[in-house]
Amino acid sequence: NAGVTQTPKFQVLKTGQSMTLQCAQDMNHNSMYWYRQDPGMGLRLIYYSASEGTTDKGEVPNGYNVSRLNKREFSLRLESAAPSQTSVYFCASRTSDTQYFGPGTRLTVL
Amino acid sequence: GEDVEQSLFLSVREGDSSVINCTYTDSSSTYLYWYKQEPGAGLQLLTYIFSNMDMKQDQRLTVLLNKKDKHLSLRIADTQTGDSAIYFCAESMGNTDKLIFGTGTRLQVFP
Repeated sequence: NAGVTQTPKFQVLKTGQSMTLQCAQDMNHNSMYWYRQDPGMGLRLIYYSASEGTTDKGEVPNGYNVSRLNKREFSLRLESAAPSQTSVYFCASRTSDTQYFGPGTRLTVL
Repeated sequence: GEDVEQSLFLSVREGDSSVINCTYTDSSSTYLYWYKQEPGAGLQLLTYIFSNMDMKQDQRLTVLLNKKDKHLSLRIADTQTGDSAIYFCAESMGNTDKLIFGTGTRLQVFP
């Protein structure tokens, strides 16, 4: 049981490039989340998915898109990366009362 | 709006108790959480408390909830160097399954 996994662990992009961050969970959870973590700001919710086939915006959705491919996988896409998107990105999934987090993807946009 | 506040830093001597404080704003929060983040790692759930409880104890960890003042604290007894990390408080948003996180408290334990 791997829990929540994320790929890649690290990524460097140039401004304007695109990429997709992958997340998968093997706990059969319905709800999944994408957060970004910036110094002094805690974690902020980008998008979430309450169930397969549904997605909703969180606090900071601009510049991102998501896909809930199936129950296991929830991907985050940056279509045209900007330096302001330099951050650490965490995926999470949820049981009835608790969220479990992946190890994070550290993204730098030059 | 929703806001969760924590002090940024706490420094304690090894063997002493640590108390990390948090204030939140959503009185309809169902659960309140404490997460630990070690350098370069993800968030690890430490403990959580249901909003109708005042206290929860789990080994060296004690969570106190003052619902009237919307104040949550995490006490770590016999603090060890391995407890050095960032600790995040989080509240659930009403009846939704979204969490609002505080900015985190960096705990430094010195010998």
